[in-house]
Amino acid sequence: AQTVTQSQPEMSVQEAETVTLSCTYDTSESDYYLFWYKQPPSRQMILVIRQEAYKQQNATENRFSVNFQKAAKSFSLKISDSQLGDAAMYFCAYRTVYNNNDMRFGAGTRLTVKP
Amino acid sequence: DGGITQSPKYLFRKEGQNVTLSCEQNLNHDAMYWYRQDPGQGLRLIYYSQIVNDFQKGDIAEGYSVSREKKESFPLTVTSAQKNPTAFYLCASSHQGAPADTQYFGPGTRLTVL
Repeated sequence: AQTVTQSQPEMSVQEAETVTLSCTYDTSESDYYLFWYKQPPSRQMILVIRQEAYKQQNATENRFSVNFQKAAKSFSLKISDSQLGDAAMYFCAYRTVYNNNDMRFGAGTRLTVKP
Repeated sequence: DGGITQSPKYLFRKEGQNVTLSCEQNLNHDAMYWYRQDPGQGLRLIYYSQIVNDFQKGDIAEGYSVSREKKESFPLTVTSAQKNPTAFYLCASSHQGAPADTQYFGPGTRLTVL
């Protein structure tokens, strides 16, 4: 079974600085999707960014970018110019292309942004 | 606005009671999901449905039941058989058919057993 590991339960960053959240996953599949979701204090899960495994180019969404290392099975999230509103739990998730319904989540990283 | 709604936001239940959590979406999504979230853990899949009148068990279906009579609605019943029901419950939906379809989430329901 696929597993997703987030080794940093908590991280903190100074406002306007850059922070990187780590995620590793275990799979024998070659095609899959990786996601980062944000869960602010309201607890609604919000999609931050998505990466298709067959794409070599790292996905970016404004201040959010990923470093996807397929051979190392690593999928880190970089947040640039951190803002107070970025404070949240961040979850890494994996899904195979063969089963839309089997999404695997990591345990999450709580990000604190210091003013 | 299109989206997913869950109600109630907070729910309290006495031991031995069944309770039903509501999930409605107006995104015209085919697939709907229920997840459970516990502190320090990621989301775990309870049930999912790819089409009306059909649903499948996820990893932790014991003590839960669902129905899918309408495309827009996927209610979850937490039965008295669920031994530790206190948790945060999230409903999600997605299109079905394209592998890249992303799951979108509702705001969640916090269930507390008294």
